[in-house]
Amino acid sequence: GDSVTQMEGPVTLSEEAFLTINCTYTATGYPSLFWYVQYPGEGLQLLLKATKADDKGSNKGFEATYRKETTSFHLEKGSVQVSDSAVYFCAAYNQGGKLIFGQGTELSVKP
Amino acid sequence: NAGVTQTPKFQVLKTGQSMTLQCAQDMNHEYMSWYRQDPGMGLRLIHYSVGAGITDQGEVPNGYNVSRSTTEDFPLRLLSAAPSQTSVYFCASSYGTGSTGELFFGEGSRLTVL
Repeated sequence: GDSVTQMEGPVTLSEEAFLTINCTYTATGYPSLFWYVQYPGEGLQLLLKATKADDKGSNKGFEATYRKETTSFHLEKGSVQVSDSAVYFCAAYNQGGKLIFGQGTELSVKP
Repeated sequence: NAGVTQTPKFQVLKTGQSMTLQCAQDMNHEYMSWYRQDPGMGLRLIHYSVGAGITDQGEVPNGYNVSRSTTEDFPLRLLSAAPSQTSVYFCASSYGTGSTGELFFGEGSRLTVL
């Protein structure tokens, strides 16, 4: 069935380091892809999205490009801040129109 | 703006007890859903609704019931709680039922079943 796989965490970085969180999906066709972020004690909120192949989603310095050749949607940020510490979820709509999530990757940024 | 509101935020139950998690949204969204979040497993869909009077099962529906009598409310019922239902529950809603839209989440309800 359709699935989303993320790199395992936790990921610990120093402030201003480069961030990459890998995400790959298995799905029929080319589903819309999303990154959600969950700050401590809060619900998930949309970080960015891409609705078709080769689209690049971006927000708050984060970027992700929809690569249909590798079925990937890796999240990147050039210089992370302590305030970026959170859990990041990759997600995709499956063939039944339901949003399915990866297992989440916890990011901790140290000053 | 209230968005998606869940109550209670925390609850402790004994095995066999029943309870209802409440969810309300004030955005006139057609689609509402319940997820559970467990360590290492991400979010899994329990039940969803595409409009008032319509509900359907998600990936992990066993042990849970839902109803949708109004557009605004989508309660989740546990009829006989089990320790395996210890989790964090999230209600989420979105415009329409398409496959490109953003889900709006509540802040979550942490349930512990002893």
